[in-house]
Amino acid sequence: GNSVTQMEGPVTLSEEAFLTINCTYTATGYPSLFWYVQYPGEGLQLLLKATKADDKGSNKGFEATYRKETTSFHLEKGSVQVSDSAVYFCALSADSGAGSYQLTFGKGTKLSVIP
Amino acid sequence: DADVTQTPRNRITKTGKRIMLECSQTKGHDRMYWYRQDPGLGLRLIYYSFDVKDINKGEISDGYSVSRQAQAKFSLSLESAIPNQTALYFCATSDSGRRHEQFFGPGTRLTVL
Repeated sequence: GNSVTQMEGPVTLSEEAFLTINCTYTATGYPSLFWYVQYPGEGLQLLLKATKADDKGSNKGFEATYRKETTSFHLEKGSVQVSDSAVYFCALSADSGAGSYQLTFGKGTKLSVIP
Repeated sequence: DADVTQTPRNRITKTGKRIMLECSQTKGHDRMYWYRQDPGLGLRLIYYSFDVKDINKGEISDGYSVSRQAQAKFSLSLESAIPNQTALYFCATSDSGRRHEQFFGPGTRLTVL
């Protein structure tokens, strides 16, 4: 079956520090990969996505590259801000059969950025 | 106005009570989903629906039922709530044409005493 493994948190960084959150996956076929972000008290929002190997998704200074050879989709940001404090979820979408695409989520990584 | 809304946002109930959580969307999407979120477990799929006449079980459907009343409305019911159903519940929608991307509601925090 499909699965997503992401680094456990919580992660605490100082403002302007470099962020990496590791994500690896197992899937049949060719999944699409996503990072979702959940700010306190809110639902999940799509942060970025990549739909094929070597694609780079980017948004709000965050980047992640779809690496098929290492089955990875690590999230990076060069300089985090206090406003980036949130829970980050790595996810994949793959065909579960008969065109049924479902999201499989990692367990989430809580990021706290301190001034 | 939010594209995906959930009611109620918070609910406290007692063991054995019937509870309904509602989800409405104005995005015009045909696909709708219910997830639950537990600390340290990520999101797990409860049920999903690809159109009004299509209902499918997800990973953890036991103890839950759903109703797709219209394309824009998808309700989740707990027929007899139990404490281990205490969780944060999310509704999501997607478009079959852009099937990989899901849009989430703000969540319902349910506590079963």
